[in-house]
Amino acid sequence: DIVMTQSPLSLPVILGQPASISCRSSQSLVYSDGNTYLSWFQQRPGQSPRRIIYKVSNRDSGVPDRFSGSGSGTDFTLRISRVEAEDVGVYYCMQGTHWQTFGQGTKLEIK
Amino acid sequence: EVQLVESGGGLVKPGGSLRLSCAASGFSFSDAWMSWVRQAPGKGLEWLGRIRSETDGGTADYAAPVKGRFTISRDDSRHTLYLQMNSLKTEDTAVYYCTSEDIVWGQGTLVTVSS
Repeated sequence: DIVMTQSPLSLPVILGQPASISCRSSQSLVYSDGNTYLSWFQQRPGQSPRRIIYKVSNRDSGVPDRFSGSGSGTDFTLRISRVEAEDVGVYYCMQGTHWQTFGQGTKLEIK
Repeated sequence: EVQLVESGGGLVKPGGSLRLSCAASGFSFSDAWMSWVRQAPGKGLEWLGRIRSETDGGTADYAAPVKGRFTISRDDSRHTLYLQMNSLKTEDTAVYYCTSEDIVWGQGTLVTVSS
């Protein structure tokens, strides 16, 4: 099974400052079709998860452009250019190349 | 409106069974690959399994912790996804979400396994 490891697990950020979350997979996420099925999800307090990034760097509809995803192979990053209050919550990476596996989650809070 | 609504959660004793339902509306359910994900209290997300559309074979895959105990099925005529859970353990206590291709998520239904 592919193991997804996120860091940090806790991320205090000052409003308006950037934030970055790392996600590493135990094996390459490049699928046989050439695509890399790495997604990012946001879960605000008391809400269901919401996908914000798919296939490494594609933003879902309605997701602000301050969110961006990058990476390849086994190393991936979610960046928020300027954190806003509504960004508070837990962020998960998820691989969909071999079935699906989530990372442990990173809790973003306002410092 | 695109929507998924889970139901069927509740309190069950260890060793018992429960069937969850997920009613879909507002999108082409029959074309969608559907998944179940759970979240234990205060913990992260755990993928449980998925079922392909009938046109893609209609087969299901399962995560190791639930393989052999849980069964995912679908009724396209009713636009409904199911999760049959048998031999439940206390560690199965969680909020259970259904999701359509990771884009649409339900609100979740709580399953508590306790004596």
